[in-house]
Amino acid sequence: KNQVEQSPQSLIILEGKNCTLQCNYTVSPFSNLRWYKQDTGRGPVSLTIMTFSENTKSNGRYTATLDADTKQSSLHITASQLSDSASYICVVSAASGTYKYIFGTGTRLKVLA
Amino acid sequence: GAVVSQHPSWVICKSGTSVKIECRSLDFQATTMFWYRQFPKQSLMLMATSNEGSKATYEQGVEKDKFLINHASLTLSTLTVTSAHPEDSSFYICSARYYSNQPQHFGDGTRLSIL
Repeated sequence: KNQVEQSPQSLIILEGKNCTLQCNYTVSPFSNLRWYKQDTGRGPVSLTIMTFSENTKSNGRYTATLDADTKQSSLHITASQLSDSASYICVVSAASGTYKYIFGTGTRLKVLA
Repeated sequence: GAVVSQHPSWVICKSGTSVKIECRSLDFQATTMFWYRQFPKQSLMLMATSNEGSKATYEQGVEKDKFLINHASLTLSTLTVTSAHPEDSSFYICSARYYSNQPQHFGDGTRLSIL
């Protein structure tokens, strides 16, 4: 069964600190993996997209990694800001059929001043 | 970048009312649109996949007579919640995609509250 699991479920950090969010998946065949940021009451916004051949991809203070062998990904946030408070969702797309998105359960991040 | 507009952003109505939500792709043609439902502190749950000019494909457990989806053009899809009840209160999000292996672009969601 295609599944995407994220950890931790929630996280509280102080402004300026770094954090890493984890994503494990069992989607097959694998097409790509995306990290989205979702602010409360808003739609998801794409942060990064990675295919199986990519190990690392950065977008500003966000750096995503992908290990296609172990089917794990991480999202590292550097020098966190209050505006980073949001839900972060790992989404894996299967390379078959309609290329549906398989959503992770999300990590709710709260950055405190 | 690709922009998807969803309207309205918030609607409050009485039980028994039917509510229509619009999803528009503003700067690209969307051959496929998706409708999601999201409960508090949970991730998005796919309700249905809509291809332009075809009947929508509903996920298991989603009542097609309750949630009517129309995708009559390449830039507009609508979701109508018929005879809405309080248990239909939720956050509904649409997304649009140009082609099958292209990314989905999400709207900003509609908060539906049924009194």
